[in-house]
Amino acid sequence: QKEVEQNSGPLSVPEGAIASLNCTYSDRGSQSFFWYRQYSGKSPELIMFIYSNGDKEDGRFTAQLNKASQYVSLLIRDSQPSDSATYLCAVSRVNTGTASKLTFGTGTRLQVTL
Amino acid sequence: DAGITQSPRHKVTETGTPVTLRCHQTENHRYMYWYRQDPGHGLRLIHYSYGVKDTDKGEVSDGYSVSRSKTEDFLLTLESATSSQTSVYFCAIMDNHRGGNEQFFGPGTRLTVL
Repeated sequence: QKEVEQNSGPLSVPEGAIASLNCTYSDRGSQSFFWYRQYSGKSPELIMFIYSNGDKEDGRFTAQLNKASQYVSLLIRDSQPSDSATYLCAVSRVNTGTASKLTFGTGTRLQVTL
Repeated sequence: DAGITQSPRHKVTETGTPVTLRCHQTENHRYMYWYRQDPGHGLRLIHYSYGVKDTDKGEVSDGYSVSRSKTEDFLLTLESATSSQTSVYFCAIMDNHRGGNEQFFGPGTRLTVL
């Protein structure tokens, strides 16, 4: 079993719809959770992070964390063609300013269609 | 942009030759990381540094060494490159100025070992 699992996709959603991306993790000691967006040939870009159970909203993005069920999700509202990318989920065992080692999933490819 | 540059951006080398990749940051971050990204494996941690001359191994450290002689530079060395080390290499910094542990990535180096 992989430590961080994501459906590889592609996940196809029409423009304007809500895209829902999911991630499960196996380490119950995980404390910090991150979503990165990666365009083809580019580096990962941090778009959301969440440390506590519940929802965290930032613009069109909402991260949801459920530690009891060991999953974290990313919702993208009003999806745009520019959101088409691979989304990487990452987790860490620390949530303070000490050395944090990220474990990544292999990513979900999102396609937003016109 | 977290003030991270990587050099070279592209390199082709032959099996058995030594290779050094450089990561340079301008914002005085204490923590720096090297990851590699391969299809089907996602991003995996090679080595990280928590200060000048302070480094530790990550998940896939075999065949790699690192050095950090000053805050702004973190070097990754392949002592004798092998074809299995063909990959895209990303450097990252952890921005803990605000007490969190978010990581931000450099532009990457694409390395091909023939």
